[in-house]
Amino acid sequence: EPEVTQTPSHQVTQMGQEVILRCVPISNHLYFYWYRQILGQKVEFLVSFYNNEISEKSEIFDDQFSVERPDGSNFTLKIRSTKLEDSAMYFCASSPLGGQATEAFFGQGTRLTVV
Amino acid sequence: AQRVTQPEKLLSVFKGAPVELKCNYSYSGSPELFWYVQYSRQRLQLLLRHISRESIKGFTADLNKGETSFHLKKPFAQEEDSAMYYCALLRGGSEKLVFGKGTKLTVNP
Repeated sequence: EPEVTQTPSHQVTQMGQEVILRCVPISNHLYFYWYRQILGQKVEFLVSFYNNEISEKSEIFDDQFSVERPDGSNFTLKIRSTKLEDSAMYFCASSPLGGQATEAFFGQGTRLTVV
Repeated sequence: AQRVTQPEKLLSVFKGAPVELKCNYSYSGSPELFWYVQYSRQRLQLLLRHISRESIKGFTADLNKGETSFHLKKPFAQEEDSAMYYCALLRGGSEKLVFGKGTKLTVNP
């Protein structure tokens, strides 16, 4: 069964450094997402991406964050200058359809620790 | 703003007992509602969505618009049902899933 894959599974970075979290969505899916979960809190939406552009983003997704689909398979989340409060589990997801037909398939997550 | 509330952080039942995981939502429109499950050390996976009206692994959930609820039920819990369960809402015109905080279900032998 096809799966969303994320690398790395765990990343430790120093405050102020840039990190890139990588995801390979399911191949025939058209909609891509990043979510995050700070320890003990809810899974929160960050951004959705369709047709090579951001279709929706949350207030969390500020100028520090960016997403890219550099080739036909990868989908990346870049955090420009990490802060301690960026420590969280980051989940990538993809869906074959959008809107009310959205059915998000999630990756295993990347645990980001900012020290 | 949309909100999903799962009032129970932890729920513990014995094998064979009925289980109900509560989910309430606040949204003025017609939402699409989901239950996601995360087994130990596995990814979040879709369990069921209200629009499909399916029963998955013996679980059902009925959307009650009057009570703004979407409780997840199973008549006879199994040990393998032990997991974290998240209720989520998708509002019209959006692809953003709004999640509840989750309920950790433990089914004891």
